[in-house]
Amino acid sequence: DSGVTQTPKHLITATGQRVTLRCSPRSGDLSVYWYQQSLDQGLQFLIQYYNGEERAKGNILERFSAQQFPDLHSELNLSSLELGDSALYFCASSPYLTGLGNEQYFGPGTRLTVT
Amino acid sequence: AQSVAQPEDQVNVAEGNPLTVKCTYSVSGNPYLFWYVQYPNRGLQFLLKYITGDNLVKGSYGFEAEFNKSQTSFHLKKPSALVSDSALYFCAVRDLSGSARQLTFGSGTQLTVLP
Repeated sequence: DSGVTQTPKHLITATGQRVTLRCSPRSGDLSVYWYQQSLDQGLQFLIQYYNGEERAKGNILERFSAQQFPDLHSELNLSSLELGDSALYFCASSPYLTGLGNEQYFGPGTRLTVT
Repeated sequence: AQSVAQPEDQVNVAEGNPLTVKCTYSVSGNPYLFWYVQYPNRGLQFLLKYITGDNLVKGSYGFEAEFNKSQTSFHLKKPSALVSDSALYFCAVRDLSGSARQLTFGSGTQLTVLP
């Protein structure tokens, strides 16, 4: 158990809908990262937050957004969903903003299925 | 840009035999390299990392990895494979560009250990 929690575990929704994925980082970790894992794209970095502020963006679509709250939990919002958004979404956390030598700790993921 | 390649999608090995999962990288400066493992329906788990120092790095569950700067490789190894080692393995490199130093993951290698 990494100490990172994600809810829900599974989510099934229809095209055009909007969903919110939630992540609670390990106690004391200030950085939260979101990743998307799909069969065709592999594991892709989406976005990073550090202590409530957005710090880096990866391959995140404009239909997607995220935020980190004062209690450090984070939410990933996915809107106008398309079939291609079906994937496993992971949250990871680490103590530092950069911490070049520090590993990230991953949650169990949320499996999103868009029908 | 930083990148990492895992040339084998699938590696099969008999239980008790040594295993190697290959990884090559490309970075502009000094590499920070990581191996993660993903079991079915689980998040990624950190195995080991190379930051500096000895080229042979030891990690969890008896795994080790050898850093080879001249060949820009960071192959994962284990002297004697177990059936329980069957999983998806990801190599990752720390992206030194940008302020947040993102992890870039390889495409993953599915390891199957045959009894």
